[in-house]
Amino acid sequence: DQQVKQNSPSLSVQEGRISILNCDYTNSMFDYFLWYKKYPAEGPTFLISISSIKDKNEDGRFTVFLNKSAKHLSLHIVPSQPGDSAVYFCAASARYGGSQGNLIFGKGTKLSVKP
Amino acid sequence: DSGVTQTPKHLITATGQRVTLRCSPRSGDLSVYWYQQSLDQGLQFLIQYYNGEERAKGNILERFSAQQFPDLHSELNLSSLELGDSALYFCASSVVGSFNGELFFGEGSRLTVL
Repeated sequence: DQQVKQNSPSLSVQEGRISILNCDYTNSMFDYFLWYKKYPAEGPTFLISISSIKDKNEDGRFTVFLNKSAKHLSLHIVPSQPGDSAVYFCAASARYGGSQGNLIFGKGTKLSVKP
Repeated sequence: DSGVTQTPKHLITATGQRVTLRCSPRSGDLSVYWYQQSLDQGLQFLIQYYNGEERAKGNILERFSAQQFPDLHSELNLSSLELGDSALYFCASSVVGSFNGELFFGEGSRLTVL
């Protein structure tokens, strides 16, 4: 049973436009959410995070929105650049739950930004 | 460069064999995590060690085991290998024991079981 779901395996966007990557979760114990970016032949790298006490967190071109009632989060990239082309993983953690806070990842969304 | 080193980068072996994957965490990080990424799958959490002690266990098979040594490097042992064990195995590290921030991932070890 997938606790973190990224229902779009791929997304293609024109350079300069907005990229919106979506993520849904089922476990109401999750209280911390992260996005990781992964280039081919590299390990995932941390991009941005949000705590469940917030509904928005911004870092430059990247903004993460959290809708707790819908158990949904999204990553917005504005403007999108060709260098943003990568696989994006959504991850969640229940920091104070019995899982000791290990990260649960979605399957990823492959973003392609076309020049 | 995340500072996490994994060896080997690639490994090809046969069914029934045993392999060991090695991970050196970032300098100063006490916690090591192992993840498995199979084809078309997300990263599946296997196991976490903190300062030499097992801290959390995920979907790790009984054929798999891990340990963290006094110098904080970690090894993941995979035995009685099956075709389905072919995957990318990532090691990650973090400063604290309980997750409260980002993980730093190595480049992964790609295991192919023939």
